[in-house]
Amino acid sequence: GQSLEQPSEVTAVEGAIVQINCTYQTSGFYGLSWYQQHDGGAPTFLSYNALDGLEETGRFSSFLSRSDSYGYLLLQELQMKDSASYFCAVKAAGNKLTFGGGTRVLVKP
Amino acid sequence: GAVVSQHPSWVICKSGTSVKIECRSLDFQATTMFWYRQFPKQSLMLMATSNEGSKATYEQGVEKDKFLINHASLTLSTLTVTSAHPEDSSFYICSARAVEARNEQFFGPGTRLTVL
Repeated sequence: GQSLEQPSEVTAVEGAIVQINCTYQTSGFYGLSWYQQHDGGAPTFLSYNALDGLEETGRFSSFLSRSDSYGYLLLQELQMKDSASYFCAVKAAGNKLTFGGGTRVLVKP
Repeated sequence: GAVVSQHPSWVICKSGTSVKIECRSLDFQATTMFWYRQFPKQSLMLMATSNEGSKATYEQGVEKDKFLINHASLTLSTLTVTSAHPEDSSFYICSARAVEARNEQFFGPGTRLTVL
């Protein structure tokens, strides 16, 4: 089976940097995805790491270490609109996604 | 990007009735769609994998006779919650796999089901 751990909540101020860690245990692993979900909305895709290293997309970056079963999402230059829940998800065989519990990010002025 | 729609966006029904939720890929063909359920402030839990032209694959603990899935075409999958009860009240979200987008999953906007 799959299990993922990520912090439940993070609070930061506008302009700050936030790192959301995700550790996973999995019986099959193709890659680690990150999704953003605002209250009442659907998850939106942020990034995907299949190989070790850092992927940068604008203000958001994602990192993966397969040997450590660990990844993180880095949110830079935080904006109020970044207040949302962020989920890591392991992609396994059949393109199935198993989601972590989610990290609620609260950005304060 | 790939667009997935769901209908209805919300539904309120009486206990014992059945509710059908549609998931459509609007600008791409999806041989595989996924159905998730999300309770308030919790994570998304995969319910089943819907394959076009074949039976759905259900995750452990999900009753296939209660949650009927039909993937009749490359752009449409339906989830029917049969004999709904208040404990079935949840946010149901579908996703579709886009082969042309590195097999990435694109999520629909979700359907809020409330069973009275």
